[in-house]
Amino acid sequence: DTAVSQTPKYLVTQMGNDKSIKCEQNLGHDTMYWYKQDSKKFLKIMFSYNNKELIINETVPNRFSPKSPDKAHLNLHINSLELGDSAVYFCASSQDYDFLETQYFGPGTRLLVL
Amino acid sequence: QKEVEQNSGPLSVPEGAIASLNCTYSDRGSQSFFWYRQYSGKSPELIMSIYSNGDKEDGRFTAQLNKASQYVSLLIRDSQPSDSATYLCAALTSSGGYQKVTFGTGTKLQVIP
Repeated sequence: DTAVSQTPKYLVTQMGNDKSIKCEQNLGHDTMYWYKQDSKKFLKIMFSYNNKELIINETVPNRFSPKSPDKAHLNLHINSLELGDSAVYFCASSQDYDFLETQYFGPGTRLLVL
Repeated sequence: QKEVEQNSGPLSVPEGAIASLNCTYSDRGSQSFFWYRQYSGKSPELIMSIYSNGDKEDGRFTAQLNKASQYVSLLIRDSQPSDSATYLCAALTSSGGYQKVTFGTGTKLQVIP
């Protein structure tokens, strides 16, 4: 079984659209994260959720909104997509809210905004 | 100045040689450091973490930390073609219960058979 899964794997969409990316972890971890990796491989954390509570909200546009229906899921909803949103989005999870804990990454969702 | 800097490479080394990957950081408050390996088209994978000055060894990998110089390195001994990947350095800063992790843009390593 895949520990951290994301859907879809690829997402191609037009500017201005709204889209969601789903993430699920079956590790029983308490904390989940969303990362964005741009074309230059720069990886930046966007959000983390610990027991359904937002812990970190980096300076990302409010067009991005994380939603966690339960501890095992953290979805990312993006409104009014822009060209600059094109990137690979990784979901990750860890046992606790502590970056010293090993994070397990999902396979990534490659978003292309046209 | 970037908070975590790495040479983007590519760094090419022959098979069996030692690969040396370097990382500098600007925030003196950074306390913990991580090396991730990322194969092309794949997700990052943690391979080493280091918190104290000095060396930390794990198999063929050795992480080195020098807080005075704000410098972290990763040595890969007996490099193998399967080590060819991008290596991301990350620095963790903790303050008042809040943690901030910053990544470098990675160094691409090519191990030539």
